Amino acid sequence: GAVVSQHPSWVICKSGTSVKIECRSLDFQATTMFWYRQFPKQSLMLMATSNEGSKATYEQGVEKDKFLINHASLTLSTLTVTSAHPEDSSFYICSARGPTGNSPLHFGNGTRLTVT
Amino acid sequence: QQQVKQSPQSLIVQKGGISIINCAYENTAFDYFPWYQQFPGKGPALLIAIRPDVSEKKEGRFTISFNKSAKQFSLHIMDSQPGDSATYFCAASNDYKLSFGAGTTVTVRA
Repeated sequence: GAVVSQHPSWVICKSGTSVKIECRSLDFQATTMFWYRQFPKQSLMLMATSNEGSKATYEQGVEKDKFLINHASLTLSTLTVTSAHPEDSSFYICSARGPTGNSPLHFGNGTRLTVT
Repeated sequence: QQQVKQSPQSLIVQKGGISIINCAYENTAFDYFPWYQQFPGKGPALLIAIRPDVSEKKEGRFTISFNKSAKQFSLHIMDSQPGDSATYFCAASNDYKLSFGAGTTVTVRA
């Protein structure tokens, strides 16, 4: 089946630095990828929709200058958390739309970000 | 504002029992209703999904019941096993943008 890979699986960074998270569709081309954030014991909240070759669409309340999304190819989308602060510590999960019209969404295994 | 309301927040079931999780939605534009299973530290995995033109769908021990007029849907886990202990999320989508319920933590006691 379709596989979505995220890297890294966990990262610790210092406050004020930036960190990049990669989301790859390993065996299919994904024109659309989605980025979610999940705080402990909470639900997944959609942050943005990433479209290959165009600007990402951000959900209300998500700072586009803080969470930079690049979808430069049909198999890779990246999320960069800029000038990270401890409140950005969370579990970031991407999903990719499968190759056919009725394909389900496939989720990556998430990236645990801790900002110290 | 959460577009999909999920209950209960948690439940405990004995091995072999039935787990039932309920969800309700308001947006009639939703046209796809999946259920996801998530283990700690992992991304959600699709369990089963249904579209609104079907009232019930069964896959193995998992069954979705869908009531379009009431705008409600539920997940039944039959013959619950300890390996089913996880958090379950219902979701609803329109054009692939998923709105998730708050999640239900299921604990299956051996």
